[in-house]
Amino acid sequence: DQQVKQNSPSLSVQEGRISILNCDYTNSMFDYFLWYKKYPAEGPTFLISISSIKDKNEDGRFTVFLNKSAKHLSLHIVPSQPGDSAVYFCAGAGNMLTFGGGTRLMVKP
Amino acid sequence: DTAVSQTPKYLVTQMGNDKSIKCEQNLGHDTMYWYKQDSKKFLKIMFSYNNKELIINETVPNRFSPKSPDKAHLNLHINSLELGDSAVYFCASSQDYGPRQPQHFGDGTRLSIL
Repeated sequence: DQQVKQNSPSLSVQEGRISILNCDYTNSMFDYFLWYKKYPAEGPTFLISISSIKDKNEDGRFTVFLNKSAKHLSLHIVPSQPGDSAVYFCAGAGNMLTFGGGTRLMVKP
Repeated sequence: DTAVSQTPKYLVTQMGNDKSIKCEQNLGHDTMYWYKQDSKKFLKIMFSYNNKELIINETVPNRFSPKSPDKAHLNLHINSLELGDSAVYFCASSQDYGPRQPQHFGDGTRLSIL
């Protein structure tokens, strides 16, 4: 029972363009969402979060959008840089953190 | 300075053996976690400790026993290892207890059962 789904296993983007990573959830009890970034052979690193009372949160090149009615959130990275190439995990917070399966982003120079 | 460190990084062992993974954090955090990343790459929480007390114990076989000697350490002991235990195990910590708290992860321990 996957409560958090990242349906695109991979995404390839040209440097300088926008990267959009999507995430869908089914658990209405989630009231907070977090994005983590993971490089190979390293642990995930916290990137950005959003409360369910908001629809947008921005931090530098990273913006997360939340559509509660659609149970959908997205992470926008603009402009994308080669160093952004990593696996991105979306997570929903209810009584514990539930992660999606991740999306591998490749930013080509 | 490594914030959350796990040892060993790799662990290859035979089925039926008992093994331990150690985790230490130097961030002064109150809460520590163990996650398992399976072959499908999902990160699933196993345990959460707050101030050395067990808070979350997900549906994990009782062959897995966490031990927190102090706030800075959360070790994972696994008895009678099975093939299905092969995975990457991540330790993490957060300032306080609560899923909203950003968590700091170690680099993982890759456990392979032969």
